[in-house]
Amino acid sequence: GENVEQHPSTLSVQEGDSAVIKCTYSDSASNYFPWYKQELGKRPQLIIDIRSNVGEKKDQRIAVTLNKTAKHFSLHITETQPEDSAVYFCAASKVDKLIFGTGTRLQVFP
Amino acid sequence: NAGVTQTPKFQVLKTGQSMTLQCAQDMNHNSMYWYRQDPGMGLRLIYYSASEGTTDKGEVPNGYNVSRLNKREFSLRLESAAPSQTSVYFCASSPKTGGLNSPLHFGNGTRLTVT
Repeated sequence: GENVEQHPSTLSVQEGDSAVIKCTYSDSASNYFPWYKQELGKRPQLIIDIRSNVGEKKDQRIAVTLNKTAKHFSLHITETQPEDSAVYFCAASKVDKLIFGTGTRLQVFP
Repeated sequence: NAGVTQTPKFQVLKTGQSMTLQCAQDMNHNSMYWYRQDPGMGLRLIYYSASEGTTDKGEVPNGYNVSRLNKREFSLRLESAAPSQTSVYFCASSPKTGGLNSPLHFGNGTRLTVT
């Protein structure tokens, strides 16, 4: 079926530490994997995405890795800052739609 | 460009009432989507329209109907609201058809409470 599992559901880190969020998906035909950040009361906003022909992508302090064989992908945030505190969602494509994970609440303590 | 515009921002309904949530995008996108967001359950797809003239069910379509009025507009209707439909509703759009490999752009959401 359509399923994207995301772990952990909550993550607390000290400012400056790294944070890693992991997702697995079930549909081997999925080929597009975006990550969204949602601040309290706001809409989800894209922070990084990766397509299936690429294994890793970086954008400043954030990176995403993809293992198509194992059907999992991860978000890595380095040198975390208090403004990174938010809920993060992974998603996987299924034909014409995106299936989302259940979200990770990241708290960065100063 | 306003992007994706949703109206209203807030709505309170009594059980059994009906209403339509409006969504419009000005980015000339082909695909449009309605998601609902509930605590601890992420974003769940209600209905989507991969292109003008088509609509399809998502993960949680029961109790909802949609209309793709034209390329810009995609509305979501609750015919007989139930407390279980209390949620935040997000509309989104994407330029792609024939396989999604580009990001969704979200509206600001509609917070609906059914009493």
